[in-house]
Amino acid sequence: GESVGLHLPTLSVQEGDNSIINCAYSNSASDYFIWYKQESGKGPQFIIDIRSNMDKRQGQRVTVLLNKTVKHLSLQIAATQPGDSAVYFCAENGAGSYQLTFGKGTKLSVIP
Amino acid sequence: DGGITQSPKYLFRKEGQNVTLSCEQNLNHDAMYWYRQDPGQGLRLIYYSQIVNDFQKGDIAEGYSVSREKKESFPLTVTSAQKNPTAFYLCASSIEQTNYEQYFGPGTRLTVT
Repeated sequence: GESVGLHLPTLSVQEGDNSIINCAYSNSASDYFIWYKQESGKGPQFIIDIRSNMDKRQGQRVTVLLNKTVKHLSLQIAATQPGDSAVYFCAENGAGSYQLTFGKGTKLSVIP
Repeated sequence: DGGITQSPKYLFRKEGQNVTLSCEQNLNHDAMYWYRQDPGQGLRLIYYSQIVNDFQKGDIAEGYSVSREKKESFPLTVTSAQKNPTAFYLCASSIEQTNYEQYFGPGTRLTVT
């Protein structure tokens, strides 16, 4: 989801459940997408990326799904753990751009 | 250990003073970036550099300056012209600019009063 003002959308999940974090991107010409995890007071860490010629990519406990028709990206985290609690950002490159444009983030809270 | 370091972690300055934030990487990356992050917001690009002795303005460059005299170092100066400098500043690098995966440093939280 997208944030409004200073308030990040928050997702609360029970430990062990699966989490799905959504992101709507803006540029239909973007061909690279990336998910970052940011713990409080730290820099973002790379989770997984995907190019526009793919619909799905899997990593360790994480899956990214790309739906270009509706410009939607999702991050699925399997068997969510307390250490997964963080803010998750999606980012896209723009057409003809080598820069990344970041979304505002979703805060994931894992309930032990 | 390879990585990006930023120092200091916390920085306090009086309004009207310039302040320089340090960013060093030993990843042998060509491209380096500075972002600003405000509460509840995504990252906004301040400046980026593709190669030594070259840098370009990002989306919010006003009130900031950078230099890239060495491959490993990309310091950011927050000048007194920056109207709202209090923020969390993040430095990142990538192998080259066409490689989008960026590695981030731990950040510097700047508070100006």
